[in-house]
Amino acid sequence: AQSVTQLDSQVPVFEEAPVELRCNYSSSVSVYLFWYVQYPNQGLQLLLKYLSGSTLVKGINGFEAEFNKSQTSFHLRKPSVHISDTAEYFCAVSDMVRIYNQGGKLIFGQGTELSVKP
Amino acid sequence: DVKVTQSSRYLVKRTGEKVFLECVQDMDHENMFWYRQDPGLGLRLIYFSYDVKMKEKGDIPEGYSVSREKKERFSLILESASTNQTSMYLCASRRTSGVYEQYFGPGTRLTVT
Repeated sequence: AQSVTQLDSQVPVFEEAPVELRCNYSSSVSVYLFWYVQYPNQGLQLLLKYLSGSTLVKGINGFEAEFNKSQTSFHLRKPSVHISDTAEYFCAVSDMVRIYNQGGKLIFGQGTELSVKP
Repeated sequence: DVKVTQSSRYLVKRTGEKVFLECVQDMDHENMFWYRQDPGLGLRLIYFSYDVKMKEKGDIPEGYSVSREKKERFSLILESASTNQTSMYLCASRRTSGVYEQYFGPGTRLTVT
């Protein structure tokens, strides 16, 4: 069975500092990987996704993530964070079976709360 | 832009009441999902639907049912609400036939007292 582990439940950083939010997954088949962001009192919106090809994926708001198959990781990074990046971030995984036979079912991690301080 | 709307942002119900949560999407998506979100547990799938009148159980279907009579609308029903169903409920939709992401509504925070 697939699973997703976000290694940090809370990450406090100062404004303009770099940040990395860690995500590890387990799967016996090839995967598709997603990062979503949830701002306070809002639903989730997609930051970026890895489907295939280049292992470095760029998303919105200056975020990027690197797919590392050997380490089964998909860590999210930003070189300089802003106060407005304060939110909860979710890593999610899917695969071909889930995409075509289960309506695109996603398995989500537990979430990481990013808190950016001035 | 895809828009997914949920009928209420906040809802307070009493134990034993029947509760309806409504979700509507405006992009003709085939697949729709209901999740509940709890601190430290992330999002857990309750039910999903891949077509009108078609539904499948997710990971935590106990205590819930769903209805999809029209393509754009997916309802979550709590037949007899209990305090352990106090949570944030998120609806999502997705185009089928491809690796497409899910689009989420703003959520309904349900409190059962």
